[in-house]
Amino acid sequence: EVQLMQSEAEVKKPGESLKISCKGSGFTFTNYWIAWVRQRPGKGLEWMGIIYPRDSDTRYSPSFQGQVIISADKSISTVYLQWRSLKASDIAIYYCARQVYYMDVWGKGTTVTVSS
Amino acid sequence: ETVLTQSPATLSVSPGERATLSCRASQSIGSSLAWYQQKPGQAPRLLIYGASTRATGIPARFSGSGSGTEFTLTITSLQSEDFAVYFCQQYNHWPPYTFGQGTKLEIK
Repeated sequence: EVQLMQSEAEVKKPGESLKISCKGSGFTFTNYWIAWVRQRPGKGLEWMGIIYPRDSDTRYSPSFQGQVIISADKSISTVYLQWRSLKASDIAIYYCARQVYYMDVWGKGTTVTVSS
Repeated sequence: ETVLTQSPATLSVSPGERATLSCRASQSIGSSLAWYQQKPGQAPRLLIYGASTRATGIPARFSGSGSGTEFTLTITSLQSEDFAVYFCQQYNHWPPYTFGQGTKLEIK
């Protein structure tokens, strides 16, 4: 079965760092781009960026460039989304998705809560 | 950036009836449009890509049409499980890929 397994929910304080993960299985991970999508509470979907795990080629939405880091470890079929310093505005569910222009396989999402 | 505008924001329809959802692009995107369904507490699910091609396992009551800047998702004979939020997404001009703001389909 084609799956993207995301890491568990996180609760952090403002200013803390965080790295969440997304592990693929059931398909050749290095043949696909993997995207990250943000969904703030009660809001719509925002495309953050995309990575090609075979060579770690990464593209960011201008809205997220410099705010997050997307990386990959192809040896374990995993991509990551990282923050150096979290803000309250980062509260959201973060989805990874396999992207072939459109997104055909989605992870279940990782909820990130930022609270002092 | 290509802006997608979905209408209406909320659509109230009775089970068994037809629902028609719209998505308008700020510039031509050809047929590079996908539709997703999202139920509460779940990840989005791909319904349609290429404006009109149903994804694997999607029932035939879901259909997509349009090209250029005007697109429609039609759901015939609404079932209880179809009441959800629907998003469109364009993939012709990127980065960034962009989504519409969503249409909530609710039971009338």
